[in-house]
Amino acid sequence: AQKVTQAQTEISVVEKEDVTLDCVYETRDTTYYLFWYKQPPSGELVFLIRRNSFDEQNEISGRYSWNFQKSTSSFNFTITASQVVDSAVYFCALSEALRGGATNKLIFGTGTLLAVQP
Amino acid sequence: AAGVIQSPRHLIKEKRETATLKCYPIPRHDTVYWYQQGPGQDPQFLISFYEKMQSDKGSIPDRFSAQQFSDYHSELNMSSLELGDSALYFCASSEDRGPPSSFGPGTRLTVL
Repeated sequence: AQKVTQAQTEISVVEKEDVTLDCVYETRDTTYYLFWYKQPPSGELVFLIRRNSFDEQNEISGRYSWNFQKSTSSFNFTITASQVVDSAVYFCALSEALRGGATNKLIFGTGTLLAVQP
Repeated sequence: AAGVIQSPRHLIKEKRETATLKCYPIPRHDTVYWYQQGPGQDPQFLISFYEKMQSDKGSIPDRFSAQQFSDYHSELNMSSLELGDSALYFCASSEDRGPPSSFGPGTRLTVL
């Protein structure tokens, strides 16, 4: 069965610090997708990134970067020079490949609450 | 670009009442997913539809039903509401059963 573990429940940093949010996943499939979402206090789920299991290249987008390691089943997210506006709950999610007529539903981790202090 | 639309954004109901949540997917998307997120919880998959047929079912109570219409919008009907149904309800859409990337803004349901 598929599972996503975000062991860090809460992280508190001071502005301009770098912070890494951990995500470990379990799946029996060789084809799957991994996602990160940001949920600010306003409640919406903001899509950050999607990776498929065949693309292990790390990605950087501005202050955000992602490290995908299939060998350790991890998909970690780093924010460089954190800002107060980065304060939110961050969810990692997994979607397995289509099986029969099934849809590609997402399974979420329990989330990490990031608090960035000024 | 057009996004997923949900209505209403906020809904307040009494216990044992009925609620209907609506989801309008991104144009040309034929797959809809519904999620429920309780306070302090991660989003939990409820149900999904592909081409107007139910595809997957998650932890959706029997008091809830949903359908997808010919224009691909979807409605989640919730009856005999309980206090524990108070949550954020998200809808997401995709093409051809693919994983959803974008979610709607959510409907915040409060049951009093």
